[in-house]
Amino acid sequence: EVQLVQSGGGLVQPGGSLRLSCAASGFTFSGYEMNWVRQTPGKGLEWVSYISGSGSTIYYTDSVKGRFTISRDNAKNSLYLQMNSLRAEDTAVYFCARDWNLDGYKWLFDYWGQGALVSVSS
Amino acid sequence: DIQMTQSPSSLSASVGDRVTITCRAGQSIGRYLNWYQQKPGKAPKLLIYTVSNLKSGVPSRFSGSGSGTDFTLTISSLQPEDSATYFCQQSYTTLSFGPGTKIEIK
Repeated sequence: EVQLVQSGGGLVQPGGSLRLSCAASGFTFSGYEMNWVRQTPGKGLEWVSYISGSGSTIYYTDSVKGRFTISRDNAKNSLYLQMNSLRAEDTAVYFCARDWNLDGYKWLFDYWGQGALVSVSS
Repeated sequence: DIQMTQSPSSLSASVGDRVTITCRAGQSIGRYLNWYQQKPGKAPKLLIYTVSNLKSGVPSRFSGSGSGTDFTLTISSLQPEDSATYFCQQSYTTLSFGPGTKIEIK
């Protein structure tokens, strides 16, 4: 059974840092591209970052470039999101999501983590 | 970025009703359109991919259609467990989601 189990999240002051983790099981983790997606009541679902199976290709949405770092450890079947210089507008529920990559289609998320709330407030 | 819009933003319908949600893309996205269902406190769940293909395990009362810029999700006979928010998502370029349509059961 495919599972993505998230940890991390919590309350942090503006300018602070937080690290999210996503532990994968039930599939060959290194064979799949992974993403982080966040959700707020105001902005809805917003893609945050992408990492290829090997970790060699990485993308970010413009608003987090230079502040967030996506990484993965294929030996540990784990995905990470290091978030620095956090702002109030980063407050959201963050999900990790597996890219199905069905027949070459990208950005198709077939499994998601349970979500982790990140609150940025003083 | 490709902007996605959905209508209506919410609806209330009875069990057994036929329900249709519309999604519109800001530019042509071909058939790169997917639908997700999200229940409160849960992660989104992929329902339909590339306009009309049902993910394995999704009930056949769900269907999708459209191409280019205009797409629809139809539930042929609404069931109580279909109460949720539905999001469209384009995967033509770096992805973006619609704002969602909340379906409530009368």
